[in-house]
This record gives sequence, C-alpha cells and structure tokens, in this order.
Amino acid sequence: QSVLTQPPSVSGAPGQRVTISCTGSSSNIGAGYDVHWYQLLPRTAPKLLIYGNSNRPSGVPDRFSGSKSGTSVSLAITGLQAEDEADYYCQSYDSSLSVVVFGGGTKLTVL
Amino acid sequence: EVLLVQSGAEVKKPGESLKISCKGSGYSFTSYWIGWVRQMPGKGLEWMGIIFPGDSDTRYSPSFQGQVTISADKSISTAYLQWSSLKASDTALYYCARKLGYYYDTWGQGTLVTVSS
Repeated sequence: QSVLTQPPSVSGAPGQRVTISCTGSSSNIGAGYDVHWYQLLPRTAPKLLIYGNSNRPSGVPDRFSGSKSGTSVSLAITGLQAEDEADYYCQSYDSSLSVVVFGGGTKLTVL
Repeated sequence: EVLLVQSGAEVKKPGESLKISCKGSGYSFTSYWIGWVRQMPGKGLEWMGIIFPGDSDTRYSPSFQGQVTISADKSISTAYLQWSSLKASDTALYYCARKLGYYYDTWGQGTLVTVSS
C-alpha cells in the first residue's frame, strides 16, 4: 500500500482532458513537501513531467499541468493523444518515514 | 545532454551476488545525488536509497537498509547497486536517477534483474 494514493486507472478519448489525483497526508503533501510527476512508458527511461507541484521542465508540452490543494495534488492532461498512454506516478517526501515516497501509479488508457 | 546509462539485464540464481551499474555523462557527476528505484513486476516505484558521488555519502530507505549496497566510482562517473546474496524477491526492474532539488530529472533506462533457480 503506497503512502501516496492514486487511482489505478483513468481513461479518455483523444482530444479530451483527464486528471490524475495524488492524495497524501499531513506528513508528506500536507506538510508542504512538493509533489513531482513522472511518465513511464514500456522499455524507456521514466520522464519527469512536473516538478514542484506545477512546474514543467523544458520540452514537456503545456498539455501537461499540475496543481495542489491541501493534501491532494492533481496532474491534468488536455488534448489527449495516443502517445500519452502510459503509467503516471506522483512522488514526494514523507517526514515520518524519512524517505522519498511514490504513489501507486495510474495507468492512462487513450480510448 | 545529460544521460544515465545502466548495465544490461541480468539472470541470476538465488544466493548469487550481483552488481549493476549506472554511468552518468553530460554533467558533473560528482555534483549531484544519484538515487536507485525498484519496480517489482506489476507493481509501483519504490525508493531504495541515494548516493552523492562527490564524497560517497549514502542514505538508504529503511526497507532496503542491509539488503543492498549503493556505491560509486567518481573516476568513471558510475554508480552501483549490489547484492551479496540474491533472493527470488529481488526480481525487479531497477532504475537509477539523478536528483535535482527534491525530484529526479534524469533517469536511466532501467536494468531488469531476474532471480530464478
């Protein structure tokens, strides 16, 4: 059971908007630790999508955005494309466990 | 271009030892922490630990302390993850990643370790 909770799966049609939530607690997200998002595609290196809750590294399309509210953060993907079909993970730090923590991952299916 | 290139897939028997590698290029290897992350089959990501190649300062997740050893050779810009006695439960995909702030901006392609008798 992951410290950060994500929905196991989400889906959307091409062109639509989807959101992936990541819920934590008072020892991680609620304590003010930033959340970062990664995209995992089979047989490729994971890719940083969002850092510091809402910042995009250069080269990441602005279709990807992040937001934070209390102990929950969200990744939004607009204008869904077939190439967005992947697993998405949130990551933060937990002060009670003193470790980096990941969400359980969310599989995005583009219908 | 910042790159982390990991060693190839390994197939080992229980009880054997193993050391996998992660070679950095395109940046000052001694100036950034390198972390290791495990992904067991069909499961999510787990943070194992981290090393600062500049002085080999190493931190482990309590879940992995004593189970693996993280090291680095700064002369060849390479970090390592090793086991002294593998178990079937060590079967997983292992990633190395460069730490920037509190996140990981560059990842290796992963090393698949299979432990089976």
